[in-house]
Amino acid sequence: AQTVTQSQPEMSVQEAETVTLSCTYDTSESNYYLFWYKQPPSRQMILVIRQEAYKQQNATENRFSVNFQKAAKSFSLKISDSQLGDTAMYFCAFMRSRDDKIIFGKGTRLHILP
Amino acid sequence: GAGVSQSPSNKVTEKGKDVELRCDPISGHTALYWYRQRLGQGLEFLIYFQGNSAPDKSGLPSDRFSAERTGESVSTLTIQRTQQEDSAVYLCASSPMGSEAFFGQGTRLTVV
Repeated sequence: AQTVTQSQPEMSVQEAETVTLSCTYDTSESNYYLFWYKQPPSRQMILVIRQEAYKQQNATENRFSVNFQKAAKSFSLKISDSQLGDTAMYFCAFMRSRDDKIIFGKGTRLHILP
Repeated sequence: GAGVSQSPSNKVTEKGKDVELRCDPISGHTALYWYRQRLGQGLEFLIYFQGNSAPDKSGLPSDRFSAERTGESVSTLTIQRTQQEDSAVYLCASSPMGSEAFFGQGTRLTVV
């Protein structure tokens, strides 16, 4: 069975700083996808970034980037130049390619301080 | 285009009553997922569908929980004889094959 672990329940950083959220996963699958989702207080889940496991290049979306270490089964999210609007719960997620089942970690609550 | 729609957005029910939660996925999305999120907690996998079949029902907490899906369309999550511990936000998501999930706004269920 797949598991996703987010070891940081809560983090706080000053606005404009860089912050890294950690995620590790456990699987015997060879083909899969990894995602980071953001859930602001509005409760709406929003995709931040995705990574295909077969791609060695780390995904980047504007201020958001990942450090994907396949051998170590690690998938951390880096937020550069953090903004107040980045305050939210962040969830790491794993999707099996063979059947599209998606499981989530328990989340990291991120506070961006003015 | 329309996103994933869930109804009702809020539901208050008395302990012991049955409730039905509805999810309308994005048209053409083959996969549909149900998750439960207790206050301040993560997403607990309940069940997912590929088309109208459910390959994995392992997350359903008890036999009081059931779900069905009509074709690649609407899904209903039914909770029978509700208990206070069932109080949570129930999130539905859909995805096309091999892609990320798109989420609805959720149904907040309160059992009193």
